[in-house]
Amino acid sequence: EVQLVETGGGLIQPGGSLRLSCAASGFTVSSNYMSWVRQAPGKGLEWVSVIYSGGSTYYADSVKGRFTISRDNSKNTLYLQMNSLRAEDTAVYYCARGPSYFDYWGQGTLVTVSS
Amino acid sequence: QSALTQPASVSGSPGQSITISCTGTSSDVGSYNLVSWYQQHPGKAPKLMIYEVSKRPSGVSNRFSGSKSGNTASLTISGLQAEDEADYYCCSYAGSLWVFGGGTKLTVL
Repeated sequence: EVQLVETGGGLIQPGGSLRLSCAASGFTVSSNYMSWVRQAPGKGLEWVSVIYSGGSTYYADSVKGRFTISRDNSKNTLYLQMNSLRAEDTAVYYCARGPSYFDYWGQGTLVTVSS
Repeated sequence: QSALTQPASVSGSPGQSITISCTGTSSDVGSYNLVSWYQQHPGKAPKLMIYEVSKRPSGVSNRFSGSKSGNTASLTISGLQAEDEADYYCCSYAGSLWVFGGGTKLTVL
């Protein structure tokens, strides 16, 4: 059974850093495209970043230069390193598997950026 | 990376059909047959309902169907049921990035 479990969210001050993790089971992270998608409170979904099976990475303009997506093949885990956090980064962050669409999602982890 | 345009809300009575539109540009919806649709109930993670414009994942009811014409994609739900009440989001591949719609709240009257 495919499962994605995000951890690492919490309350962080503006300008701070946080690393989210997404532990996968039932499939191999490194063989799939993996994305992060976020949802601000009461708002819609926003794609954040993707890492291709070949290792290429891409980012939404809103996070480019501040966020870094990566994976640990030995742990079958996806990461999102978030630096220089802003209030507008407050959201539930989901990891999702998929090539051109997202077929499995985690339950999400809440990141709150506030002083 | 502008969001795709969806109506904020739609409604229908049980048994009726509704259609949700999703308008993009020639850089996203119009360029790729890679539109997907997601259902999200309050407090839950999104669920894939349609992928590659009109394909249904295993386990999704055949009451859900998708189509595309030019820069606009559509999701149709026939035979509305109470459990269909949720938020629906379209999404399009746009060349190494993905764009979501703003979401549509479906109310079953």
